[in-house]
Amino acid sequence: GQSLEQPSEVTAVEGAIVQINCTYQTSGFYGLSWYQQHDGGAPTFLSYNALDGLEETGRFSSFLSRSDSYGYLLLQELQMKDSASYFCAVPGGGGNKLTFGTGTQLKVEL
Amino acid sequence: DTEVTQTPKHLVMGMTNKKSLKCEQHMGHRAMYWYKQKAKKPPELMFVYSYEKLSINESVPSRFSPECPNSSLLNLHLHALQPEDSALYLCASSQDKAQETQYFGPGTRLLVL
Repeated sequence: GQSLEQPSEVTAVEGAIVQINCTYQTSGFYGLSWYQQHDGGAPTFLSYNALDGLEETGRFSSFLSRSDSYGYLLLQELQMKDSASYFCAVPGGGGNKLTFGTGTQLKVEL
Repeated sequence: DTEVTQTPKHLVMGMTNKKSLKCEQHMGHRAMYWYKQKAKKPPELMFVYSYEKLSINESVPSRFSPECPNSSLLNLHLHALQPEDSALYLCASSQDKAQETQYFGPGTRLLVL
């Protein structure tokens, strides 16, 4: 089976930097994805790491360490609109299905 | 066009009703998914269609019946549901494999009375 653990809630102030961690246990590994979901909205893709290291996309960066079964999402210059739930996810089933982590609710305050 | 559409947006049904959820994408994606999401929880995979064939059924009760009429459409037929089936039902698609970017529809919020 697969399991992915994330902190349930993180609070930060506008303009700050926040890191959302994800530790995983999987049988077979195809990469780590991150999705953002606003309340009442659909999940939207943020990033995907297949190899170790940092991937940067604008204010968002994602890091993966396969040897530690660990990754994180880094959000810089936080804005109020970044308040949302963030999920890490790993493919499984031969790459044909996605299992989501427990999710982290990020609250950005003034 | 990177949009996945779902209808209806909201659905209220009794336990004896039969209803269907619909999902459509025109991105040429060959993998389509149904997820169930409860409040404050992650999406849970229900079904995967790959090249219009059912490839994964995550032990979903038979009161949920998926259908893929063609490469752009995905349906979820509902019959004799239970109140605990009330949730947000999300459809998603990807080019081919699950590790590729999945595009989600806005979901159908289902309430079973």
